[in-house]
Amino acid sequence: QVQLQASGPGLVKPSETLSLTCNVSGGSISDYYWSWVRQSPGKGLEWIGYINYSGRTNYIPSLRSRVTISIDTSKNQFSLKVYSVTAADTALYYCARGPSHGGSYQEYWGQGTLVTVSS
Amino acid sequence: DIQMTQSPATLSASVGDRVTITCRASQTINRYLAWYQLKPGKAPKLLIHTTSTLQSGVPSRFSGSGYGTEFTLTITSLQPDDFADYYCEQYYLYSTFGQGTKVELK
Repeated sequence: QVQLQASGPGLVKPSETLSLTCNVSGGSISDYYWSWVRQSPGKGLEWIGYINYSGRTNYIPSLRSRVTISIDTSKNQFSLKVYSVTAADTALYYCARGPSHGGSYQEYWGQGTLVTVSS
Repeated sequence: DIQMTQSPATLSASVGDRVTITCRASQTINRYLAWYQLKPGKAPKLLIHTTSTLQSGVPSRFSGSGYGTEFTLTITSLQPDDFADYYCEQYYLYSTFGQGTKVELK
């Protein structure tokens, strides 16, 4: 059974860059699509974007200018960077795996990692 | 953007009840709709995709239906493990989620 574990700093200062990594175990990172989804305190879920095994990306338009998702198949992990963060980027960040045909629902999720933006 | 309107926000029910959650899309999304169950401190769980396809391992008391802009998730006999938050997601154009439904004990 594939397992995902997100990790990274829990506290980021405003205007700085949020960086998270998702480690994938129990299966290869190849042949699937990998997403980041976040949940702000007291709010619903927001899909951020995805990357596939060959590096193809797609981002939600509202965040496209501030987000980069990358993949390292040799380490079986993928990463998220959010630039110029504000308090509105405070959220529980999930990494997830979608099926191989892409642009789709998320079959497996990690437990999430909380990131707070504060000085 | 495709907006997803989910209702109710909170649903109070008892073990054994039949419960229904509704999701409305702001435009047609064909059958590109999924349902998830969220519990605090746990990984979200995919219940249903493509409107009505039950994910492997999900109990058959969960079912989904709909097409176009109107969709429902039904739990035929609520079990203690089912008290949780539920979200719909459209993936017809990018991805957007409903605001969630909290199923709580009456």
